[in-house]
Amino acid sequence: QKEVEQDPGPLSVPEGAIVSLNCTYSNSAFQYFMWYRQYSRKGPELLMYTYSSGNKEDGRFTAQVDKSSKYISLFIRDSQPSDSATYLCAMSGNTNAGKSTFGDGTTLTVKP
Amino acid sequence: GAGVSQSPSNKVTEKGKDVELRCDPISGHTALYWYRQSLGQGLEFLIYFQGNSAPDKSGLPSDRFSAERTGGSVSTLTIQRTQQEDSAVYLCASSRGLARQNIQYFGAGTRLSVL
Repeated sequence: QKEVEQDPGPLSVPEGAIVSLNCTYSNSAFQYFMWYRQYSRKGPELLMYTYSSGNKEDGRFTAQVDKSSKYISLFIRDSQPSDSATYLCAMSGNTNAGKSTFGDGTTLTVKP
Repeated sequence: GAGVSQSPSNKVTEKGKDVELRCDPISGHTALYWYRQSLGQGLEFLIYFQGNSAPDKSGLPSDRFSAERTGGSVSTLTIQRTQQEDSAVYLCASSRGLARQNIQYFGAGTRLSVL
């Protein structure tokens, strides 16, 4: 079993929809939770970063972490065609800080 | 430079040949990471450097893979006797250090095809 499991998708939604992307994990040592966005033939870029449990909002994006359930989510409000990309969750702990563990990614398509 | 630079962007090679992939991190970033991304898959951790040393080489798939970093800057990932299963996108990332938030900035990757 992988340490990080991500809803595989693909996901296709109409423009303006609310999108929910989710990951579960098994390693209770994870403290730092990231969401990356990756456009086709590009490297991932950091979208959201959260420490421990709680919510974080940035514009149309909200990241949620529930450590008790080992579950994290990324919500996208008023989705736009430009949001079409692969979204990767990533996590790391206090030790071995050089290593992040990534989910396999969810490919999102927002249709105009 | 402004971002992480990787070269070449594409590499086609024949099975059994050696290849070298290069990564130029963001200036001032002391930590450097290599990942492999196969088609439709997430990122597979290979190795990271803090300065010129590599505390964790556990992700290297076999002894055909090696990496080095010199001068605390440029890194080279070498794959010897390439196999078809080595075909993937090899991504490099850098960060300011091993601060706990571990925010990594990625290059565009080298797309390796082994024929």
